[in-house]
Amino acid sequence: GESVGLHLPTLSVQEGDNSIINCAYSNSASDYFIWYKQESGKGPQFIIDIRSNMDKRQGQRVTVLLNKTVKHLSLQIAATQPGDSAVYFCAETGNFNKFYFGSGTKLNVKP
Amino acid sequence: KAGVTQTPRYLIKTRGQQVTLSCSPISGHRSVSWYQQTPGQGLQFLFEYFSETQRNKGNFPGRFSGRQFSNSRSEMNVSTLELGDSALYLCASSFNTDFRGSPLHFGNGTRLTVT
Repeated sequence: GESVGLHLPTLSVQEGDNSIINCAYSNSASDYFIWYKQESGKGPQFIIDIRSNMDKRQGQRVTVLLNKTVKHLSLQIAATQPGDSAVYFCAETGNFNKFYFGSGTKLNVKP
Repeated sequence: KAGVTQTPRYLIKTRGQQVTLSCSPISGHRSVSWYQQTPGQGLQFLFEYFSETQRNKGNFPGRFSGRQFSNSRSEMNVSTLELGDSALYLCASSFNTDFRGSPLHFGNGTRLTVT
């Protein structure tokens, strides 16, 4: 399949460990944030979202943290599995109907 | 429920030609957005349509255009292709009338190669 993110920052973790992927955003008016996962040859897949009136939101094995003071977003993946290997993007919007995407982080899970 | 469908999956064109890409959104979604993805620039917003009207446009030249039909299906067109247009073109649909609180759902893209 296609290769996405040939020159992205890479995070390598051991299977079973927790992963933390970070994202900085620049628009203080952004009020809705999403994390996407993109596997090779596929489009981005929705993981979890959070609105600006929240600091934390949990899903299945994933947690998103939002720090509006420093404009920082993080994605925590618990008990990382080989199937979690992918490129992860954060996306933000506060400007009606237009999303801005981060450059992405490549997660490698070592068995 | 079927996801976002993009056709064709792969395209090879030569410089100067034009190309049309197609997108069928998730049933019930009325907003369709297009993004260009390249290794160097990441995901770049092209334009967004809702109820056949372009509501927002990114910073791409006029060679890039799109439209949406009454059934919410959308097409994008690139005329006078350049080598730099080689990219993965992604279509995404959304349910809400604005994006706050409604995520984009992406198709698997059309891989365009310009030679």
